[in-house]
Amino acid sequence: GAVVSQHPSWVICKSGTSVKIECRSLDFQATTMFWYRQFPKQSLMLMATSNEGSKATYEQGVEKDKFLINHASLTLSTLTVTSAHPEDSSFYICSASGLAGGESSYEQYFGPGTRLTVT
Amino acid sequence: EDQVTQSPEALRLQEGESSSLNCSYTVSGLRGLFWYRQDPGKGPEFLFTLYSAGEEKEKERLKATLTKKESFLHITAPKPEDSATYLCAVRNSGGSNYKLTFGKGTLLTVNP
Repeated sequence: GAVVSQHPSWVICKSGTSVKIECRSLDFQATTMFWYRQFPKQSLMLMATSNEGSKATYEQGVEKDKFLINHASLTLSTLTVTSAHPEDSSFYICSASGLAGGESSYEQYFGPGTRLTVT
Repeated sequence: EDQVTQSPEALRLQEGESSSLNCSYTVSGLRGLFWYRQDPGKGPEFLFTLYSAGEEKEKERLKATLTKKESFLHITAPKPEDSATYLCAVRNSGGSNYKLTFGKGTLLTVNP
């Protein structure tokens, strides 16, 4: 149980284009989803937190107009990187927390990540 | 501001050589300390949650313990497949969004 998927697993795009990454909780209802980015040999940096049906809460220093987050259902959240630039190249990981087996859980279950390369 | 410090940054062990990883933390009201395993190019895999000092949890060759200031991840008789980065994270008692603060991790390499 508690499986989270991400799509795509990797993507290469040209500078100035937008990229959408999907995060799905496959076997539980994710009341809260999180988006992280991770640079090589660094830890996870939280970008934003989203609750189903509400606007995302962004961490300080994260541009909300650049990283658009939508959490339209209890099983799906999307992150759109708008007008991507090479400095946006990173490993983006989502996680989900919520009702697993009918009980609320503090644990976050992570997706496999999406490697974004902007050329 | 919550802080998590993990040590050592990297650890090399021979297969069967037991050791411990450390996670020191400062948090305003601990609402859970979490251990994850991360393989290269993949998302973290949940291992344990500890909530109060004195609590211990075990899974195969791993055992996690918690005090008021730190947590240890003990690895008994490790195997090469235990090689990974081990991440520690804490959640504080403020807010309602289960936000975690992560340490930088310990890169464990187990040689056959």
